[in-house]
Amino acid sequence: DQQVKQNSPSLSVQEGRISILNCDYTNSMFDYFLWYKKYPAEGPTFLISISSIKDKNEDGRFTVFLNKSAKHLSLHIVPSQPGDSAVYFCAASPSLYNNNDMRFGAGTRLTVKP
Amino acid sequence: DAGVTQSPTHLIKTRGQQVTLRCSPKSGHDTVSWYQQALGQGPQFIFQYYEEEERQRGNFPDRFSGHQFPNYSSELNVNALLLGDSALYLCASSFILSGGAHNEQFFGPGTRLTVL
Repeated sequence: DQQVKQNSPSLSVQEGRISILNCDYTNSMFDYFLWYKKYPAEGPTFLISISSIKDKNEDGRFTVFLNKSAKHLSLHIVPSQPGDSAVYFCAASPSLYNNNDMRFGAGTRLTVKP
Repeated sequence: DAGVTQSPTHLIKTRGQQVTLRCSPKSGHDTVSWYQQALGQGPQFIFQYYEEEERQRGNFPDRFSGHQFPNYSSELNVNALLLGDSALYLCASSFILSGGAHNEQFFGPGTRLTVL
C-alpha cells in the first residue's frame, strides 16, 4: 500500500526560480517527515525534516511546509540551482524516536535548467 | 570519515540462487536498516538491526534474512531468488541520540541485484 505519494514523477524549473515538490500521505499516525535527495549512483542524502508539531521548517534555500489537516507536505527550493537536479524522495516515519519502517514516496525527478 | 559502504556494487544471479549483501555503517552509528528500491519506486523498508537483533521488519517474506555483527556491520541474505527480487538494495545507518531519538539515516550507494 502506498502510504506516501509523490504524484509528480518529474519537474523542470529554470535556474533562479522556485521549485515546489509535493507529497501526500494517508496514515495519520505519521509524526515525522523527511526529504531526501538522490543523485545517480549514490544513496539518498538527507535534506530536511519536519515534526508534526510544526508547520514549517527552513534551512537555507530549502523550506518544508506541513499541512496536517490535508495530509500534505511540500518542499520549496528557492532559488533553484542546476546542482539541485536530482530525484527527491519524501519520507514519513511514525516518530522521531522510532525510525523503523520509514515509508518513502516514489520520488520526483527535478531538473533545473541553466 | 567513511560514510556507509556496501558491497558488492552490482550482482547478477539466477532464479533459485541465494545472495548475501554487505553493509558497513557510518562511523559512530549502531543501527542498520535495509531497503529495497524497485525501478521507478521509492525505497521499501525490509528490516532494521540494533544490538545484533532485528528490531522491526517490513512486509517481506522469510526468504529475506539479516544479521548484524559486533562491529555493527550487517548482512542481508535472500534465499530462493525470484525475478521480482531484482532491485537496488540500500543500507542505511543511524544512531540513537540521548533521549532516545534517532538521527537521520545515512544511506549507502546500494547494491544493484539482477535476477535472471
